[in-house]
Amino acid sequence: AQKITQTQPGMFVQEKEAVTLDCTYDTSDQSYGLFWYKQPSSGEMIFLIYQGSYDEQNATEGRYSLNFQKARKSANLVISASQLGDSAMYFCAMREGGITSYDKVIFGPGTSLSVIP
Amino acid sequence: DTGVSQNPRHKITKRGQNVTFRCDPISEHNRLYWYRQTLGQGPEFLTYFQNEAQLEKSRLLSDRFSAERPKGSFSTLEIQRTEQGDSAMYLCASSLGSASTGELFFGEGSRLTVL
Repeated sequence: AQKITQTQPGMFVQEKEAVTLDCTYDTSDQSYGLFWYKQPSSGEMIFLIYQGSYDEQNATEGRYSLNFQKARKSANLVISASQLGDSAMYFCAMREGGITSYDKVIFGPGTSLSVIP
Repeated sequence: DTGVSQNPRHKITKRGQNVTFRCDPISEHNRLYWYRQTLGQGPEFLTYFQNEAQLEKSRLLSDRFSAERPKGSFSTLEIQRTEQGDSAMYLCASSLGSASTGELFFGEGSRLTVL
């Protein structure tokens, strides 16, 4: 069963606007971590933001914030003030278990974001 | 800190040949992951190591795939008797298990084309 769902294959956003990329996950663990990565057309995987399941505050990193709704098992990425350089694939990922656990990190299918000038 | 290094960056081979990819992780990282990615898809988990121990191998992988991390440093991924369906980008990532987030640091990948 797919554990990470990203229901938006492609998204468009106007430059300087905010955009939300959806991610839902499935786990029976109480301790887990959620990641977002960006992959531009050049191919490198760039870490954006992390949310631990026990973190009380939603994670923020500059223009990126994570809207974490634990009961709904969702971890949506919000990008504020979109820039042309934000055009890329975005992947949601999850590691089950705590930081020191041995569980692997699995990725969702991704959302392609295009920023329109 | 030179980042995660993967070699070769590109490999073209004929069906039925064996290929081997190498990954050098960030030096102090104890975890190492291999993923496969095809165009427009997310990275698909293959296997991962904690130091030299291989902790899990994807059930999607056939017996043609094998990975090693003999001294807990670099790792190799070998594909035997390659098939056209093996054509993909093979990504290696490493992480520090004790880090606050344990995020994965990726290499630039090794692209395999099987003719």
